[in-house]
Amino acid sequence: KQEVTQIPAALSVPEGENLVLNCSFTDSAIYNLQWFRQDPGKGLTSLLLIQSSQREQTSGRLNASLDKSSGRSTLYIAASQPGDSATYLCAGATNKLIFGTGTLLAVQP
Amino acid sequence: NAGVTQTPKFQVLKTGQSMTLQCAQDMNHEYMSWYRQDPGMGLRLIHYSVGAGITDQGEVPNGYNVSRSTTEDFPLRLLSAAPSQTSVYFCASSLYGLNTEAFFGQGTRLTVV
Repeated sequence: KQEVTQIPAALSVPEGENLVLNCSFTDSAIYNLQWFRQDPGKGLTSLLLIQSSQREQTSGRLNASLDKSSGRSTLYIAASQPGDSATYLCAGATNKLIFGTGTLLAVQP
Repeated sequence: NAGVTQTPKFQVLKTGQSMTLQCAQDMNHEYMSWYRQDPGMGLRLIHYSVGAGITDQGEVPNGYNVSRSTTEDFPLRLLSAAPSQTSVYFCASSLYGLNTEAFFGQGTRLTVV
């Protein structure tokens, strides 16, 4: 059974700091790995989608990597801003999307 | 662009009542799905559809029905609401299934009393 784990569950950093969020999964037969952002009381917003044949994807200050052999993905956020404060979720796709329980990020001004 | 639209945003039901949560997308996406989000449990798949006329069960389908008569719409029906169905429900769509980016609606917060 596919399980997705995100560590840490919560993270607080000062503005401007670079940070890494971690996602690990048990089933290496994933099609892709997606990272989402969820603001309080809102839906999920897709940030990056990494196909199984890719190693990383970049969008602005965000960079996500995927290592299927080790069952890990990371989301790197450069020069964090208070507006980055949200819950970040990763999801691995096999025959369905399996979500982690998220990392709650707080960026302090 | 409307994207994925869910209605209502909030709903309170009494135990035993039935209701339909609406989901519509205007992106001509083939794949649509329903999730529930509960504290400490993450998002869990209820039902999904790979195209009009085709639906299948997800991880937690009991107590819910779906249909997909058009590409655009994917309603979720609660047959007889129970307090255990208190949750936030999200509808999502993607162009060709799980290989493509998923877009989510804003959610429906349901309370069953």
